[in-house]
Amino acid sequence: DQQVKQNSPSLSVQEGRISILNCDYTNSMFDYFLWYKKYPAEGPTFLISISSIKDKNEDGRFTVFLNKSAKHLSLHIVPSQPGDSAVYFCAASVNAGNNRKLIWGLGTSLAVNP
Amino acid sequence: DAGITQSPRHKVTETGTPVTLRCHQTENHRYMYWYRQDPGHGLRLIHYSYGVKDTDKGEVSDGYSVSRSKTEDFLLTLESATSSQTSVYFCATDARGAYTDTQYFGPGTRLTVL
Repeated sequence: DQQVKQNSPSLSVQEGRISILNCDYTNSMFDYFLWYKKYPAEGPTFLISISSIKDKNEDGRFTVFLNKSAKHLSLHIVPSQPGDSAVYFCAASVNAGNNRKLIWGLGTSLAVNP
Repeated sequence: DAGITQSPRHKVTETGTPVTLRCHQTENHRYMYWYRQDPGHGLRLIHYSYGVKDTDKGEVSDGYSVSRSKTEDFLLTLESATSSQTSVYFCATDARGAYTDTQYFGPGTRLTVL
């Protein structure tokens, strides 16, 4: 049962254009959402996050939008650069007993073409 | 970024042999995690630790054990490796000082069980 779904395994965009990566979730108890970027042969690195009490968070070229009613979030990269080519993971966080649990999507591979 | 190292980075072993992977952090983070990444499954939590000698199971803990005798070190042991444990293993840490759920990942260990 995939609680965090990234339905597009891959995405290709032209340099300078907008990249939009999407993520859907099923658990309404998720209260924090994160995006990670992963290059080949490296570990994931934190990119940007958003609390469930907000609908937008922006950091430079990266903006995350959250639509709670639709249980949907998206990551916008503007403008896209070749160095943005990587796998992007969406993750959602929820209380689990006395700990926090992070649930991961399967990732979307982004290719930014020069 | 947190200073997280993993050793070894690559290992090939035979079915039935014991294997220990090491994660070392220099940030004094309280929480540490072991994940495995496989095609079609994303990142799956094996075990985690919330302090020295305090560990708990994740979603795919069968066949794995962990130990944490020092804040900076978190060991993952495969008592008797099987081919299904061929995977890329990532260690992560989490300061959990602020309510951000941000995890910092090591570079990964690629394990092949023949």
